[in-house]
Amino acid sequence: DTGVSQDPRHKITKRGQNVTFRCDPISEHNRLYWYRQTLGQGPEFLTYFQNEAQLEKSRLLSDRFSAERPKGSFSTLEIQRTEQGDSAMYLCASSLGGGMDTQYFGPGTRLTVL
Amino acid sequence: AQSVTQLDSHVSVSEGTPVLLRCNYSSSYSPSLFWYVQHPNKGLQLLLKYTSAATLVKGINGFEAEFKKSETSFHLTKPSAHMSDAAEYFCVVSSLGGYNKLIFGAGTRLAVHP
Repeated sequence: DTGVSQDPRHKITKRGQNVTFRCDPISEHNRLYWYRQTLGQGPEFLTYFQNEAQLEKSRLLSDRFSAERPKGSFSTLEIQRTEQGDSAMYLCASSLGGGMDTQYFGPGTRLTVL
Repeated sequence: AQSVTQLDSHVSVSEGTPVLLRCNYSSSYSPSLFWYVQHPNKGLQLLLKYTSAATLVKGINGFEAEFKKSETSFHLTKPSAHMSDAAEYFCVVSSLGGYNKLIFGAGTRLAVHP
């Protein structure tokens, strides 16, 4: 089963460090999304790619956050100068494209900032 | 703006009894609505979706939901709970914009007792 994969699954870092997460979407899915889920809450939208183009960024995505999808395949999400408030589960989803298509989610990367 | 409200943060049922997870939505247009399930240490999985076709939507694992415009509700039901149904359930509405940005409710944790 070649679903959405994310790496790493867990990341513990110290405040002020930079971290980078990777998402590999389902092959041939041209839409890719990042969401963030804090404890006891539902996921919140962060950003969206159509192929390699980043078409929307949430206000939740401060200047310390950057996301890329260089060749329209995998995507990376980098957080610079991490803060304790960045501790959360970071979820990636992909979809084929076209209308209200189904988003398939990866298992997430759990970030803990000490 | 679109939003969903899940009326119960926790629901507890006995195995073999019916399940009802309540969701109200707010939308200025005819919405697309979803229910996702999240098992511990697993990715979000789509249970079912409503996209303005039949108002009674059948999903996987015996779940179904009914779209009621007059009540702005999209409650999730299952006739008989199984132990394996214990998980976090999210009611989700899709935003305007054509690319299906998902807006999640806070979630309902379902516990199933023997």
